[in-house]
Amino acid sequence: DGGITQSPKYLFRKEGQNVTLSCEQNLNHDAMYWYRQDPGQGLRLIYYSQIVNDFQKGDIAEGYSVSREKKESFPLTVTSAQKNPTAFYLCASSMGKLSSYNEQFFGPGTRLTVL
Amino acid sequence: GQQVMQIPQYQHVQEGEDFTTYCNSSTTLSNIQWYKQRPGGHPVFLIQLVKSGEVKKQKRLTFQFGEAKKNSSLHITATQTTDVGTYFCAGPTGNQFYFGTGTSLTVIP
Repeated sequence: DGGITQSPKYLFRKEGQNVTLSCEQNLNHDAMYWYRQDPGQGLRLIYYSQIVNDFQKGDIAEGYSVSREKKESFPLTVTSAQKNPTAFYLCASSMGKLSSYNEQFFGPGTRLTVL
Repeated sequence: GQQVMQIPQYQHVQEGEDFTTYCNSSTTLSNIQWYKQRPGGHPVFLIQLVKSGEVKKQKRLTFQFGEAKKNSSLHITATQTTDVGTYFCAGPTGNQFYFGTGTSLTVIP
């Protein structure tokens, strides 16, 4: 069953703690993305990766970090430096590069609440 | 900075009425994609438009890409309750990818 998995679905953390969100895909896609969605708003790009061991900052990268050690995996760490981390986080992947004509496939998302 | 705005932000329609959402980018997009997000769900790709002035249809949905490749629209004819959700336009510019602010559609049976 091909697709993108994100875990966990809901995550609660105390303020000041780093937290890592998981994203795995078995679609053999080269590109992977992390977005943040706040209530009533669109998606904003945090980071993206077009190839293993390479990633680029999106519009709102401050306070986040990523790694891409394997093609299938693109974990996102929300650090304590992120001033307003409570949000819905969506991971996506696509066959080609960001600027190419490829649809993005999204995971089910992780809803992070920082208390 | 780059902005992709959509209007209206919210739209309530009676079932059977038409619906249109408009997408405007502050810069030229190389292509425009449309996604639908059901309440509580994740965005799902609907379609992609590449050429300026392009029009594509999917059953009751009509998508249009502006001549200057800075605006787009999605029109739904005779809405059904299954059309409920938030519709986003999106596209790449430079080395970034931007989603519009979205239009949330409610269909009243």
